[in-house]
Amino acid sequence: KQEVTQIPAALSVPEGENLVLNCSFTDSAIYNLQWFRQDPGKGLTSLLLIQSSQREQTSGRLNASLDKSSGRSTLYIAASQPGDSATYLCAVPDSGGGADGLTFGKGTHLIIQP
Amino acid sequence: DTAVSQTPKYLVTQMGNDKSIKCEQNLGHDTMYWYKQDSKKFLKIMFSYNNKELIINETVPNRFSPKSPDKAHLNLHINSLELGDSAVYFCASSQQGPAEAFFGQGTRLTVV
Repeated sequence: KQEVTQIPAALSVPEGENLVLNCSFTDSAIYNLQWFRQDPGKGLTSLLLIQSSQREQTSGRLNASLDKSSGRSTLYIAASQPGDSATYLCAVPDSGGGADGLTFGKGTHLIIQP
Repeated sequence: DTAVSQTPKYLVTQMGNDKSIKCEQNLGHDTMYWYKQDSKKFLKIMFSYNNKELIINETVPNRFSPKSPDKAHLNLHINSLELGDSAVYFCASSQQGPAEAFFGQGTRLTVV
């Protein structure tokens, strides 16, 4: 069964720094990997979806990479801002078909200090 | 327009009661899901529905039952509520297959 691990569990950095969040998964036979952001008391906002055939995906200051063979993904945040403070979650489909839902990591709680 | 909407946002109820949470998506997606986020913030899949057929049920008690009147709606019914059911429940949807998933804002259920 797929397991997803996120490191670190929490991270606090000063504003302006570039940072990397890590995600690893045990079953490399994934169709895609999705990064989400969750603000306190709010729902999940989809940030990036990387297909298994892609190596990376970019959106603004965010860049996500995927290495299927090693079972790893990273989320790179450039020039961090206080508004980036949130919990970041990565998730992969539970089976090849995707209809079985997503398996989530436990998230990285990120605090950007002004 | 909100893509995935669920109501209510907050629900406080007593043990033993029966309650429902509604979910609607206007994205034209084929598959809808319910997830539970526990007190430790861990998200876990409960159900998924594809064309009105239940795809999976991840060891969820049978007090929980999803009902889908049409492709755009997937409601969650919970019978005989227990203290341990207190959590945040999220509805989500995606196109058929491993497509991008979109989530609702969540329903915080508190059983007292």
